[in-house]
Amino acid sequence: AQSVTQLGSHVSVSEGALVLLRCNYSSSVPPYLFWYVQYPNQGLQLLLKYTSAATLVKGINGFEAEFKKSETSFHLTKPSAHMSDAAEYFCAVSVRNFNKFYFGSGTKLNVKP
Amino acid sequence: GAGVSQSPSNKVTEKGKDVELRCDPISGHTALYWYRQSLGQGLEFLIYFQGNSAPDKSGLPSDRFSAERTGGSVSTLTIQRTQQEDSAVYLCASSLGGWGNTEAFFGQGTRLTVV
Repeated sequence: AQSVTQLGSHVSVSEGALVLLRCNYSSSVPPYLFWYVQYPNQGLQLLLKYTSAATLVKGINGFEAEFKKSETSFHLTKPSAHMSDAAEYFCAVSVRNFNKFYFGSGTKLNVKP
Repeated sequence: GAGVSQSPSNKVTEKGKDVELRCDPISGHTALYWYRQSLGQGLEFLIYFQGNSAPDKSGLPSDRFSAERTGGSVSTLTIQRTQQEDSAVYLCASSLGGWGNTEAFFGQGTRLTVV
């Protein structure tokens, strides 16, 4: 079975500071991993995805994530937060030949001026 | 269309009434998903359609919930005898296939409020 745990339902950073959003997954087979972002009153938008190629994945808006099999983690980072990054972020896992995306409970990112 | 389209965007209904939520997936996408997002909660899987295969209904919370997908395209999620706990944002997504490594594109959701 697959599952996702996102540590911290709310994260607050200052503008210009490092953003680190944590995601740990559980999967009995090699996973595919995703980060989605949801801006207020909008649907989810894909930030980046890991599909068994490079373990360091770069996404849109300066975000990146590193797949660490030994730690079963896929943390999302951005070197310098911008006010426009304030949103809710969801980590998701899926596996080949499987028919669901399992989502974490989400982390709301607040960026302080 | 260019993206996944859901209608209505907002729906207020009285407890006990039936509601229908519509999803128009991206043309050519064979996989379609319904998720529910309650306040402060993550995304709860409801149902999955893949081509002509039998849908995966394992996430439907009760027999008041049902969904169909006609002609492999448009999908309708029906909630009968709505309850207040059904209030949530219902999200639809579609993808090229159910291989897991394909991106799921989401609609903007239908916000359902049961009063």
